[in-house]
Amino acid sequence: DTGVSQDPRHKITKRGQNVTFRCDPISEHNRLYWYRQTLGQGPEFLTYFQNEAQLEKSRLLSDRFSAERPKGSFSTLEIQRTEQGDSAMYLCASSYLTGNYGYTFGSGTRLTVV
Amino acid sequence: DAKTTQPPSMDCAEGRAANLPCNHSTISGNEYVYWYRQIHSQGPQYIIHGLKNNETNEMASLIITEDRKSSTLILPHATLRDTAVYYCIVAGTGTASKLTFGTGTRLQVTL
Repeated sequence: DTGVSQDPRHKITKRGQNVTFRCDPISEHNRLYWYRQTLGQGPEFLTYFQNEAQLEKSRLLSDRFSAERPKGSFSTLEIQRTEQGDSAMYLCASSYLTGNYGYTFGSGTRLTVV
Repeated sequence: DAKTTQPPSMDCAEGRAANLPCNHSTISGNEYVYWYRQIHSQGPQYIIHGLKNNETNEMASLIITEDRKSSTLILPHATLRDTAVYYCIVAGTGTASKLTFGTGTRLQVTL
């Protein structure tokens, strides 16, 4: 494994369009997290999965946002009917279920809604 | 999760030690102190964590006060590549706990 991969790195979309991002975690990691980061702020938690189960969702995750992790492997984050306020860096991280090894973050997907 | 307080920015000369403070006066007994850093346009990178005892790894040292209400991250010989935003986070037991990031300390390492 070379780490957590995110695709695409950059996405520009028109307001109202749907977008989907993909995250490939480190294969041995049970947990997968999605964070959002706007300019000048620290990352904000959106949701996380333990294997294929989505265990927690932030209230930041409106009805337009949906995340999946089929078969406990890669994950997708979809934003429907994008708004300009959705413009941000979307970060994915993965970690082991037990032990203290820290999160491994990907490089993120930068979304710009025009 | 306990709240942390960090200075918004710090400067350090290259080759000198960078000491980044963090206050976490409401930390609970089972909460760890984690440090991450984020270099421009990259995802955060795990640096080190600790519970009570001081910790050291190849990247940094973590000094936690005896009352656990504050800690200091030490980069012993800062280089230009250490210029980044450093986040101090307090979170529950184990890796699986959700991390809540603040705004961190922007460390600028200069020649």
